[in-house]
Amino acid sequence: NAGVMQNPRHLVRRRGQEARLRCSPMKGHSHVYWYRQLPEEGLKFMVYLQKENIIDESGMPKERFSAEFPKEGPSILRIQQVVRGDSAAYFCASSPPYKGDTEAFFGQGTRLTVV
Amino acid sequence: GENVEQHPSTLSVQEGDSAVIKCTYSDSASNYFPWYKQELGKRPQLIIDIRSNVGEKKDQRIAVTLNKTAKHFSLHITETQPEDSAVYFCAVNSGGYQKVTFGIGTKLQVIP
Repeated sequence: NAGVMQNPRHLVRRRGQEARLRCSPMKGHSHVYWYRQLPEEGLKFMVYLQKENIIDESGMPKERFSAEFPKEGPSILRIQQVVRGDSAAYFCASSPPYKGDTEAFFGQGTRLTVV
Repeated sequence: GENVEQHPSTLSVQEGDSAVIKCTYSDSASNYFPWYKQELGKRPQLIIDIRSNVGEKKDQRIAVTLNKTAKHFSLHITETQPEDSAVYFCAVNSGGYQKVTFGIGTKLQVIP
């Protein structure tokens, strides 16, 4: 089991460009979560997805950010027209179908730098 | 929504001493309380967790206690070692699904 795979590990974008972050959950996991970690801060929930469904996007900024988890392929977090404040580490986590008290496994993260 | 507060934000201890990190939460329906350790530049990794039907859990040098009435839980690290230096996050799962709310983190420094 390769664990939660995120790519790229590091991403540099100029202001105004688009950033696409990918997350492949662990085998057997159908739930994906995205978290953002600003420098020297904790992790903030962004969105929770199941295959082809967004379950909770209460932590997503209302503009420029979107997420999907298609039937086939990885989950994608998309940031349009990036700004300097988007610079952060973005972590994806996955878990098996809900049991209520299971560990969420984190990927290595994508460190986005906006220049 | 759930509100998790974590103290202290930084903690320095001498090698061999104990370290204690405390968290409080707001949602009485919360039922799962994991603790994560994050080393610099790496992903958070689960180190111990506790469920709402248990008051205390221990794993070698690490222990977690839970007081559901007071809505607080704590991480205890005994005989600290330099490799324990990291940021520690408490987290709370309110039971609907794995929407985990994290504390702000505690940066632990163990001084050799």
